[in-house]
Amino acid sequence: QVTLKESGPVLVKPTETLTLTCTVSGFSLSNARMGVSWIRQPPGKALEWLAHIFSNDEKSYSTSLKSRLTISKDTSKSQVVLTMTNMGPVDTATYYCARILTIPYYMDVWGKGTTVTVSS
Amino acid sequence: QPVLTQPPSSSASPGESARLTCTLPSDINVGSYNIYWYQQKPGSPPRYLLYYYSDSDKGQGSGVPSRFSGSKDASANTGILLISGLQSEDEADYYCMIWPSNTVVFGGGTKLTVL
Repeated sequence: QVTLKESGPVLVKPTETLTLTCTVSGFSLSNARMGVSWIRQPPGKALEWLAHIFSNDEKSYSTSLKSRLTISKDTSKSQVVLTMTNMGPVDTATYYCARILTIPYYMDVWGKGTTVTVSS
Repeated sequence: QPVLTQPPSSSASPGESARLTCTLPSDINVGSYNIYWYQQKPGSPPRYLLYYYSDSDKGQGSGVPSRFSGSKDASANTGILLISGLQSEDEADYYCMIWPSNTVVFGGGTKLTVL
């Protein structure tokens, strides 16, 4: 059974850096046909893709957030980590990680999400 | 990144069909992309429904009923999700998605109400 679980702080202060971890099970981050995406959703708003990473360490970032994001993986720990710098109130959202299957490329299994609030 | 336009809301009665649209910007040809569709219910993560490229290149998510189907309207540069035989459990938000140039773009979502 494929599962993904997001973890990280519930509350961060403005200007701080957010670090989120996605721990996966049921598949390997070294699988050439798979990757992991991070997506967020502000309260009552639409989904917004943030970044993804593949088994060969190929990475891609949202154009609008690229300067603030870093994605990495630790295959031995089955974890994908996303950092976002200079957090602000507009970054308050539920953050999801999801498995990517390739050819065609899409996210098939999602974690339950973790809610992050940015407030002083 | 491009913007995918979805009507904010739609409604239909049980047993009827719902046609949800996802319009691509004019500089992006819908014929060149897989259009993916997700369903999201309150308090839950999105659920993958299907993708549609053409009648010969499409795919259904695991466990997704066949009454969910995809298509395109090339003249309107639009991807379409058709839900036939609407059920109360289909009431949800629906998002379209494309994957251009190793990035991902979601539409703004449509809230479907089953009257």
